[in-house]
Amino acid sequence: EAGVTQFPSHSVIEKGQTVTLRCDPISGHDNLYWYRRVMGKEIKFLLHFVKESKQDESGMPNNRFLAERTGGTYSTLKVQPAELEDSGVYFCASSQGGRGRDPEAFFGQGTRLTVV
Amino acid sequence: GDSVTQMEGPVTLSEEAFLTINCTYTATGYPSLFWYVQYPGEGLQLLLKATKADDKGSNKGFEATYRKETTSFHLEKGSVQVSDSAVYFCALSAGAGNTGKLIFGQGTTLQVKP
Repeated sequence: EAGVTQFPSHSVIEKGQTVTLRCDPISGHDNLYWYRRVMGKEIKFLLHFVKESKQDESGMPNNRFLAERTGGTYSTLKVQPAELEDSGVYFCASSQGGRGRDPEAFFGQGTRLTVV
Repeated sequence: GDSVTQMEGPVTLSEEAFLTINCTYTATGYPSLFWYVQYPGEGLQLLLKATKADDKGSNKGFEATYRKETTSFHLEKGSVQVSDSAVYFCALSAGAGNTGKLIFGQGTTLQVKP
């Protein structure tokens, strides 16, 4: 079974440009999460989808970030326009729904974003 | 709000040494606690977890006990190997209900030398 897949693995863009990150969760996983680790600090929660609906987007830093999950399958995270402080590693994770408390979340390898 | 604090790294050990990585937490309610590991070039993997006080999680020789009285979940291994070199993250589940949202510590880099 394929794991969580993220594209691209690395992205270097100039300040002011737009970047779109993609996450393909494990097939059948209703829950999809985005996290970010900035400059070796803690990994911070960005948002949580249940199927195509945003369950919790309390971690989204500002309105330059837009996440979508059309059809409840893959998800995209767009940063527009990118700023220097957006640099970091963006992780996606997915888990099954209806599996009791704290279903195991499976993480992708992350996308390393560098804004110059 | 809820938070997780890990000991500062990097931690450098010789093979077969004893490992402890400290983790303490602040949370309302009764969170589940986790240790995740990120090996070089790979994604985060769940290493072990504990869902209630006094539970001990264990996997691959690693152990951690959920201590409610000290709000701690320290990771230990009796004899580390070079292949254990990785970044280790302590985390807790957050939010009301079964949301699966995790709050992580800053990560501790472990380097094991032969």
